[in-house]
Amino acid sequence: DAGITQSPRHKVTETGTPVTLRCHQTENHRYMYWYRQDPGHGLRLIHYSYGVKDTDKGEVSDGYSVSRSKTEDFLLTLESATSSQTSVYFCAISAAQETQYFGPGTRLLVL
Amino acid sequence: KQEVTQIPAALSVPEGENLVLNCSFTDSAIYNLQWFRQDPGKGLTSLLLIQSSQREQTSGRLNASLDKSSGRSTLYIAASQPGDSATYLCAVNTDKLIFGTGTRLQVFP
Repeated sequence: DAGITQSPRHKVTETGTPVTLRCHQTENHRYMYWYRQDPGHGLRLIHYSYGVKDTDKGEVSDGYSVSRSKTEDFLLTLESATSSQTSVYFCAISAAQETQYFGPGTRLLVL
Repeated sequence: KQEVTQIPAALSVPEGENLVLNCSFTDSAIYNLQWFRQDPGKGLTSLLLIQSSQREQTSGRLNASLDKSSGRSTLYIAASQPGDSATYLCAVNTDKLIFGTGTRLQVFP
């Protein structure tokens, strides 16, 4: 399996609080992605990165920000969590337009 | 806007059957197409990637085909086993991955 870890794996938080999810890779891949998975919607891209400090928006980026200060780490921040952001969040990595490898996911519950 | 559809949404079969899972997409301008497997409560595992210039890829009992002009891909699973039970997702790469909502497969002994 590709070396991808996500932390935390589970989190419960309250509406209005900031939340940061971390994705860490040991593969030195250039591209990193954040997705959310919801019943009836499948997986949707939130943000992605194509290099250190290079990021772009995906399909459902409102309410989320990202940062990538090192090749191995990609952070997803919910500035002020809302109940609609309750979801399972997946990080993925790839080398260019090739196979994407996914992390184990983070289950986030916003009360 | 690229849309990806997977049919059927769910499938239940006895062990040993050969299966075909379908994936269709609306825009043929893709780099590649990827098939994934997802077990309950787990992340996605990549099964096969087919480049836009390829017609098929094989890995063990799995064979994936791609007909870009008609916007279709199929995943063929030979001699299904209970361990194949999972949700199968296809995703087309148009600079970003666009996922279908998956086919939930159950193989019973």
